[in-house]
Amino acid sequence: GDSVTQMEGPVTLSEEAFLTINCTYTATGYPSLFWYVQYPGEGLQLLLKATKADDKGSNKGFEATYRKETTSFHLEKGSVQVSDSAVYFCALAAGSARQLTFGSGTQLTVLP
Amino acid sequence: GAGVSQSPSNKVTEKGKDVELRCDPISGHTALYWYRQSLGQGLEFLIYFQGNSAPDKSGLPSDRFSAERTGGSVSTLTIQRTQQEDSAVYLCASSLAGLAGGSTDTQYFGPGTRLTVL
Repeated sequence: GDSVTQMEGPVTLSEEAFLTINCTYTATGYPSLFWYVQYPGEGLQLLLKATKADDKGSNKGFEATYRKETTSFHLEKGSVQVSDSAVYFCALAAGSARQLTFGSGTQLTVLP
Repeated sequence: GAGVSQSPSNKVTEKGKDVELRCDPISGHTALYWYRQSLGQGLEFLIYFQGNSAPDKSGLPSDRFSAERTGGSVSTLTIQRTQQEDSAVYLCASSLAGLAGGSTDTQYFGPGTRLTVL
């Protein structure tokens, strides 16, 4: 079945550091790929998405590129801020209902 | 505009009781999804509605779980004879077109209902 493997956390960085959170997937067909973010005390929010190979999703300084050859969708940001502290979930949409299959989540803490 | 809303935000119940969780999707969204988020299992898909019908119930963990959607809008997730392992945050999401939207469809999530079974 479909699955998403995400870098284990927690991750702690200093402000302005470079961030990478690795995500790889297994799916039949051609899934869409997503990064969702959950800020403390809030619900899941879509951060960015990519719907086909080589697409790059970007938002709020975060980027991720859909790499079909490596089945990956790694999240990157060049300079993190304290306000980026949250849990990040990689997900794919596929299957008969295009339901989301999520990774386990990565807790990011950014220190001032 | 208004996002996905869920009620109640918190529910504490005793083992063996029935509970109902409500979801109001974004107006005009035809697809509605239920997920649950628990410490041991992460985020799991439960059920999907396209309009009022549920073509995919594959994620429901047992026959104690059921869901309905009326008028193509509000949905209710019912858990009968609750067990302690049902404790989780239940999330609802809606999207504009579901399967019809293909790969471009995006799901928007509500704040969740935190269920605690004592």
